[in-house]
Amino acid sequence: GEDVEQSLFLSVREGDSSVINCTYTDSSSTYLYWYKQEPGAGLQLLTYIFSNMDMKQDQRLTVLLNKKDKHLSLRIADTQTGDSAIYFCAETDKGSARQLTFGSGTQLTVLP
Amino acid sequence: NAGVTQTPKFRVLKTGQSMTLLCAQDMNHEYMYWYRQDPGMGLRLIHYSVGEGTTAKGEVPDGYNVSRLKKQNFLLGLESAAPSQTSVYFCASSVSGQGNTIYFGEGSWLTVV
Repeated sequence: GEDVEQSLFLSVREGDSSVINCTYTDSSSTYLYWYKQEPGAGLQLLTYIFSNMDMKQDQRLTVLLNKKDKHLSLRIADTQTGDSAIYFCAETDKGSARQLTFGSGTQLTVLP
Repeated sequence: NAGVTQTPKFRVLKTGQSMTLLCAQDMNHEYMYWYRQDPGMGLRLIHYSVGEGTTAKGEVPDGYNVSRLKKQNFLLGLESAAPSQTSVYFCASSVSGQGNTIYFGEGSWLTVV
């Protein structure tokens, strides 16, 4: 079955850039997503990228997709303390039900 | 804008008890989903529905039942709760078609003792 993997923890200094990485195994993935979860809250969609794109930029967020290596990354520029959260990578394939397969999440800690 | 609403938000059950989690969405979405979130494991799909009156099994369906009698509601039932079902449950909904946003509820914390 599909598998999505992420490293569990990342710490950065406030003002630095954060890069969160994700690898996936499903070659039929069509859309790849990044969600943010703050403590005690649900999942907030940050951004997504279609599989025929290499890069997508949205304000401080840059998503890079290497389809050959099945590698997805999320770069957060000028990281702030409010960016501290768990970030989930997820993918969906061509199936009609659009089920999401999630990674285990990366806990981002922003240090002052 | 209510979006996706889950009730209850917190519940403690004894082993063997039954309960139902209710998910309601006001966006006229066709698709609805129930996920569970456990530490270090991300979210796993329990059951989903692609329309009123239809349901299907996800990755971890055992011990759960669902119903979609109305388009706006998706119910998740635990007939005989077990400690292994202690988890945070998230409901989600979306329109059909690729690339559309999947909206999540705020979660329901369930503890089975």
